[in-house]
Amino acid sequence: DADVTQTPRNRITKTGKRIMLECSQTKGHDRMYWYRQDPGLGLRLIYYSFDVKDINKGEISDGYSVSRQAQAKFSLSLESAIPNQTALYFCATSDLGLAGGREQFFGPGTRLTVL
Amino acid sequence: AQSVTQLDSQVPVFEEAPVELRCNYSSSVSVYLFWYVQYPNQGLQLLLKYLSGSTLVKGINGFEAEFNKSQTSFHLRKPSVHISDTAEYFCAVSDTGGSYIPTFGRGTSLIVHP
Repeated sequence: DADVTQTPRNRITKTGKRIMLECSQTKGHDRMYWYRQDPGLGLRLIYYSFDVKDINKGEISDGYSVSRQAQAKFSLSLESAIPNQTALYFCATSDLGLAGGREQFFGPGTRLTVL
Repeated sequence: AQSVTQLDSQVPVFEEAPVELRCNYSSSVSVYLFWYVQYPNQGLQLLLKYLSGSTLVKGINGFEAEFNKSQTSFHLRKPSVHISDTAEYFCAVSDTGGSYIPTFGRGTSLIVHP
């Protein structure tokens, strides 16, 4: 079973709709992240969370919100979707404990299309 | 703050040929360095990382990279590529004593031709 899962894997929606993307992890990591990937732009950080009570904006948080429901769950919401939010969205986790390797572990991605 | 520049957006190469994907970074502090690979329709997975110690780092699938502090580079190499190496490759850098949040490059698309 995958350590980091994302639902849905694909979503097509219309401008103005509210959308929630969900991420769950079984790795036991405290840190979770949301990125968006656009062709030629690499990965850009939307929000990150160091634990359940610590949520921070990334470089492109406008138009997005997040919720950390538990250590294992981190959801991304688009309150009113717009076409330029069409992208591939990734959730990631990392562990910074003494045995942590500093790398991130990624989910399979959610492809979101806003019409 | 850190930044990463991947010097080639696309690298075409023939099967069994050697390949180098270039990555330069900028940082005012010590860094950790990473290469990730993204196969079509998949998430990113770690290829290799430099945290400390030997500057030559070996990763999965026969890839290796060398950390060059003076040139602020971390180029990825493979002596003989396979069709299955066709993928997007991302270089990333993070600080070593603060947030540890990585900054990613824009990616290099490696296209291996038969």
